[in-house]
Amino acid sequence: KQEVTQIPAALSVPEGENLVLNCSFTDSAIYNLQWFRQDPGKGLTSLLLIQSSQREQTSGRLNASLDKSSGRSTLYIAASQPGDSATYLCAGLGSGGSNYKLTFGKGTLLTVNP
Amino acid sequence: NAGVMQNPRHLVRRRGQEARLRCSPMKGHSHVYWYRQLPEEGLKFMVYLQKENIIDESGMPKERFSAEFPKEGPSILRIQQVVRGDSAAYFCASSPSASEAYEQYFGPGTRLTVT
Repeated sequence: KQEVTQIPAALSVPEGENLVLNCSFTDSAIYNLQWFRQDPGKGLTSLLLIQSSQREQTSGRLNASLDKSSGRSTLYIAASQPGDSATYLCAGLGSGGSNYKLTFGKGTLLTVNP
Repeated sequence: NAGVMQNPRHLVRRRGQEARLRCSPMKGHSHVYWYRQLPEEGLKFMVYLQKENIIDESGMPKERFSAEFPKEGPSILRIQQVVRGDSAAYFCASSPSASEAYEQYFGPGTRLTVT
């Protein structure tokens, strides 16, 4: 059974700092790894999707990497801004017969202080 | 192209009442997934539906919960005789096809409060 853990649970940084959010998963047979952003009371916004054959994806100031052998993914945010404040969720998509089931971590609550 | 729509956004029910949560997938999407986010917990898969078919309901509690996705109209998640422990945010996602299940688009969620 896939389990996803995110560390830290909360992070507070000053504006402009570069930061790394961590995600680990127990079953390396995941199909892909996805990072989402969740704002308070809102839905989920997909940030980056790393397919099983890929090692990383980049979008603007965001870079996500995936190391299936170690069961880890990281989300790197460069030059953080107050608008980046949100909860960041990592989710793995199962492989084989359950390649539609996303397993989520509990998230990292990020606060970027101006 | 409108995104995934869910209504109501907030729902308050007393213990013992029924809750009906609706999800309209993105245009052209025929696959719907429901997830539940309990307080202080991650989102958990509940059920996967195609039009008129339940593909996987392994994440749904065995009693009081049911889901459908009729040929016409939205997908419905129904909770009978709600209890306080059902208070959570319920998210719906959709994808165009089974082979594109890796790309699920999420709605804004319905926040259910049971008093």
